[in-house]
Amino acid sequence: EVLLVESGGGLVQPGRSLRLSCAASGFTFNHYAMHWVRQAPGKGLEWVSGINWNGDNVDYADSVKGRFTVSRDNAKKSLSLHMNSLKVEDTALYYCVKDSGMIPRGWFDPWGQGTLVTVSS
Amino acid sequence: SYVLTQPPSVSVAPGQTARITCGGVNIGSKTVHWYQQKPGQAPVLVVYDATDRPSGIPERFSGSNSGATATLTISGVEAGDEADYYCQVWDSDSDHQVFGGGTKVTVL
Repeated sequence: EVLLVESGGGLVQPGRSLRLSCAASGFTFNHYAMHWVRQAPGKGLEWVSGINWNGDNVDYADSVKGRFTVSRDNAKKSLSLHMNSLKVEDTALYYCVKDSGMIPRGWFDPWGQGTLVTVSS
Repeated sequence: SYVLTQPPSVSVAPGQTARITCGGVNIGSKTVHWYQQKPGQAPVLVVYDATDRPSGIPERFSGSNSGATATLTISGVEAGDEADYYCQVWDSDSDHQVFGGGTKVTVL
């Protein structure tokens, strides 16, 4: 069974940093691109970042570019999202998601259960 | 940036057919995927590559894509189909993934 388990969320003040992690199991991790997708309370889905199978091609939504950094450790089967200069509008449930292919251009399946990030003073 | 437009809500009686649209410029040339999200749960893929269903998804769910509109059709709607539905494409111009705003399906 493919499983994605996020961790690292919590309450953080505006301007501070936070690091999210995603532990993957049940599939050949280094064969697939991965993504972070977020959902603000009561709102829709927003793609945040994608990374290809070996980590040498990454991309970000305009809303987080320059503040967030995505990375992966294929040996540990893990995905990370380093979030700097956090803003109140970054408050959301952050999902770790597996892409259908090696480059981050496919469909998303499956999704983790998410980790909640709350940015507030 | 590329924009996908969905109606905020669709209401349908049990046993009837629900059609959820997803509009975008030249969307017929893009590959569209659809997700179902029930309250308090993570999204689940229900249609990929516009018309294909993952294993475990009922045949009642089907998709189409032509012109400026992609459509997710739910035939014989059941109470358990009540959820939010999102369309998604990869935009080659921006190299970004894009979601529609979501459609809440209510079963009357």
